[in-house]
Amino acid sequence: SVLLYQKPNRDICQSGTSLKIQCVADSQVVSMFWYQQFQEQSLMLMATANEGSEATYESGFTKDKFPISRPNLTFSTLTVNNARPGDSSIYFCSSRKQFSNERLFFGHGTKLSVL
Amino acid sequence: QQKVQQSPESLIVPEGGMASLNCTSSDRNVDYFWWYRQHSGKSPKMLMSIFSNGEKEEGRFTVHLNKASLHTSLHIRDSQPSDSALYLCAARGAGNTRKLIFGLGTTLQVQP
Repeated sequence: SVLLYQKPNRDICQSGTSLKIQCVADSQVVSMFWYQQFQEQSLMLMATANEGSEATYESGFTKDKFPISRPNLTFSTLTVNNARPGDSSIYFCSSRKQFSNERLFFGHGTKLSVL
Repeated sequence: QQKVQQSPESLIVPEGGMASLNCTSSDRNVDYFWWYRQHSGKSPKMLMSIFSNGEKEEGRFTVHLNKASLHTSLHIRDSQPSDSALYLCAARGAGNTRKLIFGLGTTLQVQP
């Protein structure tokens, strides 16, 4: 399995501010994925982050709003810029074990509340 | 349009009963399905995966797949209150991206 540690577990911020969510894997992984989940609804894939290259964003998510860094094979950071109440949700990082059947493992999630 | 559709949206079954959940992909370029379970306040955990036509059983859980119709179903027999959770179906796109796309989920409540 792949263990993913997210920090912080939760955050409360004011509208217009920015915040960072960190994800650390216990082993080297090729891709890290960031998902957004509102109120235990579906998981929406935001972006895929590979080491040394720019993240690939899904429709509805942009680099300006959600910049992602992937400086090495065990670490990624998601930033939420100009946070709005509509960004209040849970953010999960996820990854898969290399050469596996591509089962995804998830971090514990970061619950963001924007006031 | 949601590419992975799940039904029902919510389901209540009595303890000891059978729960049946459905999932269909409208994207024909999928080659693998997963079922994840997410308890309230927790992260999703994989339950079962299937990529071949037919059936796969693990304990109280059985998964079916019909590749022609891109339909998979999850059946939980002898349902327990601890099975109460959000069940998410995910389909993997074939090709280079191999992204997992999740459905909207089925909320299962098992009543003691």
